[in-house]
Amino acid sequence: GAVVSQHPSWVICKSGTSVKIECRSLDFQATTMFWYRQFPKKSLMLMATSNEGSKATYEQGVEKDKFLINHASLTLSTLTVTSAHPEDSSFYICSAREPTSGWPYNEQFFGPGTRLTVL
Amino acid sequence: SQELEQSPQSLIVQEGKNLTINCTSSKTLYGLYWYKQKYGEGLIFLMMLQKGGEEKSHEKITAKLDEKKQQSSLHITASQPSHAGIYLCGASYRAGTASKLTFGTGTRLQVTL
Repeated sequence: GAVVSQHPSWVICKSGTSVKIECRSLDFQATTMFWYRQFPKKSLMLMATSNEGSKATYEQGVEKDKFLINHASLTLSTLTVTSAHPEDSSFYICSAREPTSGWPYNEQFFGPGTRLTVL
Repeated sequence: SQELEQSPQSLIVQEGKNLTINCTSSKTLYGLYWYKQKYGEGLIFLMMLQKGGEEKSHEKITAKLDEKKQQSSLHITASQPSHAGIYLCGASYRAGTASKLTFGTGTRLQVTL
């Protein structure tokens, strides 16, 4: 299957700083990427849909000014957590769709995740 | 309320035993996906079901989707320690190239020796 990478795999930062997480599709072009957040022992919650060349679509309750998403190329989407606070500590996972695949059109390939800890 | 419910939330089985995980949707699915996740890692795709009544198997794992396309089960035969992890069902509710997945609550599986 297609490979999606995330960088960094983990990051520790001080409260008030900003952190950027990268999501890359390594062997395919992804017009759509998704950003999820996972709390300990909880399921994945979709934060936003990242579309190449256009603004991201945020889910209800997700602050777009807090979680900045940029999908500048067909292989890279970034999530920037601005002015991070301890409550932003979580496991962030991205996924990417390979648009030329046949059914299932909705198949998403997931990155390995980034663990963010805000002190 | 949660759109996609999984049961049980956690499961401890002895190696060699069979087990079943259920995923129930509050509305008709377009597609149902099963993923496995090891703690602190990404998701590994297991299987996808789209047709009512469909059943798929891979190695010792079998997934089924009911005729009404609102309920799916994942059955593991003769469980092994390598099966341990978190199992997540994900649902799409419409066709289209950008439709998003809604995930279930997850089932944490432990396999004891």
